[in-house]
Amino acid sequence: DIVVTQSPDSLAVSLGERATINCKSSQSVLYSFKNKNYLAWYQQKQGQPPKLLISWASTRESGVPDRFSGSGSGSDFTLTISSLQAEDVAVYYCQQYYNTPPTFGGGTKVEIK
Amino acid sequence: EVQLVESGEDLVQPGGSLRLSCAASGFTFTNYAMSWVRQAPGRGLEWVSSIDGSGSSTYYVDSVKGRFTISRDNSKSTLYLQMDSLRAEDSAIYYCAKIDSGSFLAAFHIWGQGTMVTVSS
Repeated sequence: DIVVTQSPDSLAVSLGERATINCKSSQSVLYSFKNKNYLAWYQQKQGQPPKLLISWASTRESGVPDRFSGSGSGSDFTLTISSLQAEDVAVYYCQQYYNTPPTFGGGTKVEIK
Repeated sequence: EVQLVESGEDLVQPGGSLRLSCAASGFTFTNYAMSWVRQAPGRGLEWVSSIDGSGSSTYYVDSVKGRFTISRDNSKSTLYLQMDSLRAEDSAIYYCAKIDSGSFLAAFHIWGQGTMVTVSS
């Protein structure tokens, strides 16, 4: 199974400042033939189901604010919130879907400083 | 609007059985693979099982193999999870999720609100 590791476990960022979350997979999730990274980012607010923010490592879902961006390739990835808003307080998960079983990182809790 | 609505929430004794349902609407159900993902209280997300659009291919996390069965009724646009020989560690919110593809290798695009399963004596 591919192990997905996120860091940090939590971070506190001031409103309007940048938040950066890292995600590392135990093997590459880049499918070279298609030149696609099989990695997604989800946001889960308290008491709500997860919401898909980004797929294919960097493709934002429709309706997701452009302050959210995904980057990286192979086995190292980053989710960046360029200017943190109060409504961004949540736990963020990365997930690989390169193979079965699909696996999630442990989550990163983002709070306001 | 794409919508997934789970049902089947219950408190069951260890060793008991439970069937979860997920009613889908707003998309062509048979065109998409579907999954169950669970989240124990205060914990992270764990994929449980997936099924392809036709229902002919299924996958399970090792911890539920032989105990859980995923199935779907495309005529009713409904996904199921039959859970047998339940253990305390199966206690969690169970989410139904639409995979963004007919195959398994895609993100979990849409999630239901979840249904709580509690296994306790």
